[in-house]
Amino acid sequence: QKEVEQDPGPLSVPEGAIVSLNCTYSNSAFQYFMWYRQYSRKGPELLMYTYSSGNKEDGRFTAQVDKSSKYISLFIRDSQPSDSATYLCPHDKIIFGKGTRLHILP
Amino acid sequence: SAVISQKPSRDICQRGTSLTIQCQVDSQVTMMFWYRQQPGQSLTLIATANQGSEATYESGFVIDKFPISRPNLTFSTLTVSNMSPEDSSIYLCSGAQATDTQYFGPGTRLTVL
Repeated sequence: QKEVEQDPGPLSVPEGAIVSLNCTYSNSAFQYFMWYRQYSRKGPELLMYTYSSGNKEDGRFTAQVDKSSKYISLFIRDSQPSDSATYLCPHDKIIFGKGTRLHILP
Repeated sequence: SAVISQKPSRDICQRGTSLTIQCQVDSQVTMMFWYRQQPGQSLTLIATANQGSEATYESGFVIDKFPISRPNLTFSTLTVSNMSPEDSSIYLCSGAQATDTQYFGPGTRLTVL
């Protein structure tokens, strides 16, 4: 199993800031890209799901896929304390790394 | 989407005993998975639960230690057998539908004394 390449953090940003979370992957054949959010002592929840390259927006969240550089990003606008969680981007849909811990400071 | 429940939510067990964790999905899912997560660590895939056949285990996990059942498309069980303190962890099940996006249960927090 290959681990997902993610900065583990913790990443601390002030409330209202724009957050950028990133992952790199190795297999160029991947077509589906997902972001999960996991609160402490909870199971992961699906946050964003994209197919192939490009951007997908959902409220304050934008997922971006750059297949040429094998790089995926999640942007959070107007960050809120409730966004404080660990963010995961699975490799090959079912292989998870440690994720990036995000703290939004009130 | 799918809503997944697990029972028990937590348990404290004695060394050498076994615990069976149940996972129920509110709709039919194509695939079901079992994961383990140590505090602050990544999700580690234990196995894929196959409906009507033996589970597919990942490297480092064996059927004798983690027997899995999946009698239908909405239910699965994971048994942690002959437990030791090293088995203390959070065990999570997930279900995936046609798009392969997974939905996770809340987890079962296991402590082995």
